[in-house]
Amino acid sequence: GEDVEQSLFLSVREGDSSVINCTYTDSSSTYLYWYKQEPGAGLQLLTYIFSNMDMKQDQRLTVLLNKKDKHLSLRIADTQTGDSAIYFCAESMSDDKIIFGKGTRLHILP
Amino acid sequence: GAGVSQSPSNKVTEKGKDVELRCDPISGHTALYWYRQSLGQGLEFLIYFQGNSAPDKSGLPSDRFSAERTGGSVSTLTIQRTQQEDSAVYLCASSFQGKETQYFGPGTRLLVL
Repeated sequence: GEDVEQSLFLSVREGDSSVINCTYTDSSSTYLYWYKQEPGAGLQLLTYIFSNMDMKQDQRLTVLLNKKDKHLSLRIADTQTGDSAIYFCAESMSDDKIIFGKGTRLHILP
Repeated sequence: GAGVSQSPSNKVTEKGKDVELRCDPISGHTALYWYRQSLGQGLEFLIYFQGNSAPDKSGLPSDRFSAERTGGSVSTLTIQRTQQEDSAVYLCASSFQGKETQYFGPGTRLLVL
């Protein structure tokens, strides 16, 4: 069935790198997304990657895509307290529906 | 231009009452989506509009839920005879033609007492 899976929690020390992992099911997905949700706020698009790319870098964010294993990761370099949020992985399906994971809550340790 | 807007931002209602949630998509976006996020859960897809038609209503949880979109713009999600389990944040998103990135509104927080 359709499923996007990611771990629910991640704790990282301030200044370290955070790596949030995600697996998806639809090998025909065109786009894969990372969204950020801060407390009390709506979802905010962080970055996305086309399925024909292996990597995308945008300032402190690096997205890696392994199509063979259907594995997506988001790396945040030099993690700051403002990065504390829930991060959602999502894939676009062949019927234009977007499926989201349950979200990974990133907690920053001082 | 402006992003996706939703109203009301918060709604408290009594069990059994009907509620209407509104979504104003980004101007020019033909695709519009409704999602629901319950406490501790991921996003649950409800319905998708392309223009005024809804090719995918598969996510609507029961026949108490309905949605419409007129003029290819504003959409309303109606929940009839609300139940406590309907309490959630209802998120709307829009995208250009449906295959591109979705942009989300701030959500409507619904609490059914």
